[in-house]
Amino acid sequence: DVKVTQSSRYLVKRTGEKVFLECVQDMDHENMFWYRQDPGLGLRLIYFSYDVKMKEKGDIPEGYSVSREKKERFSLILESASTNQTSMYLCASRPQMNTEAFFGQGTRLTVV
Amino acid sequence: QKEVEQDPGPLSVPEGAIVSLNCTYSNSAFQYFMWYRQYSRKGPELLMYTYSSGNKEDGRFTAQVDKSSKYISLFIRDSQPSDSATYLCAMILGGGADGLTFGKGTHLIIQP
Repeated sequence: DVKVTQSSRYLVKRTGEKVFLECVQDMDHENMFWYRQDPGLGLRLIYFSYDVKMKEKGDIPEGYSVSREKKERFSLILESASTNQTSMYLCASRPQMNTEAFFGQGTRLTVV
Repeated sequence: QKEVEQDPGPLSVPEGAIVSLNCTYSNSAFQYFMWYRQYSRKGPELLMYTYSSGNKEDGRFTAQVDKSSKYISLFIRDSQPSDSATYLCAMILGGGADGLTFGKGTHLIIQP
């Protein structure tokens, strides 16, 4: 089975802190994604990566950056956390284009 | 334009009933379609993946795609209380690097 693991289930950070969310997949997938999920807004794509060191902006990249130094790991970085970044963050991976994606268990981030 | 419409519910049905969940979309370029199930505070879990118009069956679940009407459905037979969750439709444009576009999800409640 595909395993996508996010480093934390729950996280509480202070406004202005730099926050790292880590995601690791164990199936040698080419593509990895970061979404955030908010009530009434659904899942929105922040960034995605189709190869090591490659990244593409999604629909809501402002306030975020990403890093993909190794194929199995995709990190989401909040340079200076703000309260409006309180959300559920979901990492996903998929083997290639036009295939289904597999999700991690999610990180519920609260910024206070 | 990327827009997927999905009734948020809640949809409440008695145990054993047939459930019908639906999504409509406006962009005819969407080519690949998925259904995910998401339990509260968990990541989405892939249920079905389809490409062509028509039906695809897996156990109690049937996914239906009508590309001419830009309409997809998920049917659940013999519904169980454990089916209570949020169901998300998702779709991919295809042809290149792209994230999934999601509906906002339908909250389903199966009453024992």
